[in-house]
Amino acid sequence: EDQVTQSPEALRLQEGESSSLNCSYTVSGLRGLFWYRQDPGKGPEFLFTLYSAGEEKEKERLKATLTKKESFLHITAPKPEDSATYLCAVQAQDDYKLSFGAGTTVTVRA
Amino acid sequence: ETGVTQTPRHLVMGMTNKKSLKCEQHLGHNAMYWYKQSAKKPLELMFVYSLEERVENNSVPSRFSPECPNSSHLFLHLHTLQPEDSALYLCASSQDRDSFYEQYFGPGTRLTVT
Repeated sequence: EDQVTQSPEALRLQEGESSSLNCSYTVSGLRGLFWYRQDPGKGPEFLFTLYSAGEEKEKERLKATLTKKESFLHITAPKPEDSATYLCAVQAQDDYKLSFGAGTTVTVRA
Repeated sequence: ETGVTQTPRHLVMGMTNKKSLKCEQHLGHNAMYWYKQSAKKPLELMFVYSLEERVENNSVPSRFSPECPNSSHLFLHLHTLQPEDSALYLCASSQDRDSFYEQYFGPGTRLTVT
C-alpha cells in the first residue's frame, strides 16, 4: 500500500526565514508526485508535478525537488501570504488514484 | 464560472435529514472525484467517475450515494448521517482517469452533522 508521510506537522516562520518541508513516500513504482497548497476553508490548489528523481520545479518563492524516497518543498524568503497547508500526494505506475499525506501547516509571521 | 464549483459551501444537517451536495466542473474534464477531508487526516478518496461511469467505491457507507448525470456534474446524496461524517467534502476533476493528469479541486462543502 502506498504511504506518504509529511513533516513537520506545523512550521512557524518569521518573514524572510527560509525553510523546507519534507514528503517521504513509499510506492510501488512512482508515476508522479504532486504538491498542493490549501488555504483555510478552501480546496487544494495545484502547485507542481514531479516525475523522476533529480527533477526540480520552481514557482515564485517555492521550489520542489524529488529523490527516490522523498520530496522537499523549499520556501525561500517567505511572506505572510505563503501561510497555508501544503499537501503532498503520490500516484503509482499501476494506479490512477492519489495517496495524500496529512499536510504541513506553514505560518509566516510579519 | 471557472474551474470546479461546489454548492452549498456550508451545510448543517440532523442525522435524520436528507441533503445533496453538488459539484460542477467547467474544465472539459472526463473524470470526477469525491474526497472526504477530516481534521489532521489525509484526504480520503470516496468515489471516482470516469465518463459518467462509477469506477471506484472506496468502501464508503451506503448513507453516501453518488450520482453523475453527465461529465460536468457530480452529486453526493446524503441520508441518515452520523456525527463522525462531519468533515470537508471536496470534489475534484481531471482530464482523464487513466492517464497521468493532475486533479483540480473545488472549494469544498463544510458539513456538520448534529
